[in-house]
Amino acid sequence: NAGVTQTPKFRVLKTGQSMTLLCAQDMNHEYMYWYRQDPGMGLRLIHYSVGEGTTAKGEVPDGYNVSRLKKQNFLLGLESAAPSQTSVYFCASSYRGPSNQPQHFGDGTRLSIL
Amino acid sequence: GENVEQHPSTLSVQEGDSAVIKCTYSDSASNYFPWYKQELGKRPQLIIDIRSNVGEKKDQRIAVTLNKTAKHFSLHITETQPEDSAVYFCAASSQGGSEKLVFGKGTKLTVNP
Repeated sequence: NAGVTQTPKFRVLKTGQSMTLLCAQDMNHEYMYWYRQDPGMGLRLIHYSVGEGTTAKGEVPDGYNVSRLKKQNFLLGLESAAPSQTSVYFCASSYRGPSNQPQHFGDGTRLSIL
Repeated sequence: GENVEQHPSTLSVQEGDSAVIKCTYSDSASNYFPWYKQELGKRPQLIIDIRSNVGEKKDQRIAVTLNKTAKHFSLHITETQPEDSAVYFCAASSQGGSEKLVFGKGTKLTVNP
């Protein structure tokens, strides 16, 4: 039982490049979330999903897209990376909504955009 | 939408002292308040949580209190130890269509030996 696994752990991109971050969970959780963490800003929600095939915007969705084609996977895409997207990205999952179940976090992806 | 304010942003205490971190929230419908601890370079991990039908919850050296009327909740750590040094985040969540947590900006706690 690996919990929440994020791939890759580190990545450096050039401005304008695209990439996809993968989040996988093996706990049969319905809800999945993508956050970004910047110094002094806490955890800000980018997008989330309440079940397979569903996605919704969070607090800071601009410049990102997501997909939840399989229940266990939640993908975060950057179509044209910008330096402002340099951040640490965390994925989280929970069996039900956050008011019912705690969120379990992955180890994070450190992304630098040059 | 929900807004969570957390204070202080940094806190330094001597080993053995108590530490208190306070959060306020704006949405009176919020009913779930977790606290996460994040050590340097690690993932956030849930340490304690409280629901709106409870005023206080304890787990060994950690306690959380909730004042629904004033819309604030606090984390109390007693007999602090160097391994308590980390960033602590509070969060709030409400039912009724908003299936997400809103986090405070974090408090960096340093416990000096």
